[in-house]
Amino acid sequence: QQQVKQSPQSLIVQKGGISIINCAYENTAFDYFPWYQQFPGKGPALLIAIRPDVSEKKEGRFTISFNKSAKQFSLHIMDSQPGDSATYFCAASMGSGANNLFFGTGTRLTVIP
Amino acid sequence: ETGVTQTPRHLVMGMTNKKSLKCEQHLGHNAMYWYKQSAKKPLELMFVYNFKEQTENNSVPSRFSPECPNSSHLFLHLHTLQPEDSALYLCASSQGVRQETQYFGPGTRLLVL
Repeated sequence: QQQVKQSPQSLIVQKGGISIINCAYENTAFDYFPWYQQFPGKGPALLIAIRPDVSEKKEGRFTISFNKSAKQFSLHIMDSQPGDSATYFCAASMGSGANNLFFGTGTRLTVIP
Repeated sequence: ETGVTQTPRHLVMGMTNKKSLKCEQHLGHNAMYWYKQSAKKPLELMFVYNFKEQTENNSVPSRFSPECPNSSHLFLHLHTLQPEDSALYLCASSQGVRQETQYFGPGTRLLVL
């Protein structure tokens, strides 16, 4: 059973546009929601993360929106740039036990000039 | 060298071979992880080590055998693998094991013939 569902699988956005990636989860025990960015030939790198006590977190052009009642969270990339072209993974974990991150299946973003 | 390094970057092996993947972290972290990344599937956590002690083994087949001689080094010993084991194997590390940011290496691309 997939703990975190991510969509879309791929996304093409014009330079300057807004990229939106969505994730949904079922386990209400999750209390930490990071987004990772992966470039070809590299491992994933933490981009931004949120905890459920806030509904939004912004870092530069990247914003996480969190809807606790709907059990959904999304990544918005404002003013998308070709350098943002990468695969993005959402993830979730809970406070108890080992650091077990449950990842989504990834979204391949392509920003065209 | 900084961050998390992995060797080799690419590996082709037959089903009867024995090989090892190596991971080294230069971040002074105490926890290390092995993940399997397959196309269109979520990252799968395989093993977790905290202070050299294995704390997680997510039902990984015995043909994968981890070894953690110290907090900076992690190995994954491979023997009698199957073609479906072909994937990108990622190593990660974190300061601790409770919702700490995980830092990933570039991965080893494994092909089993």
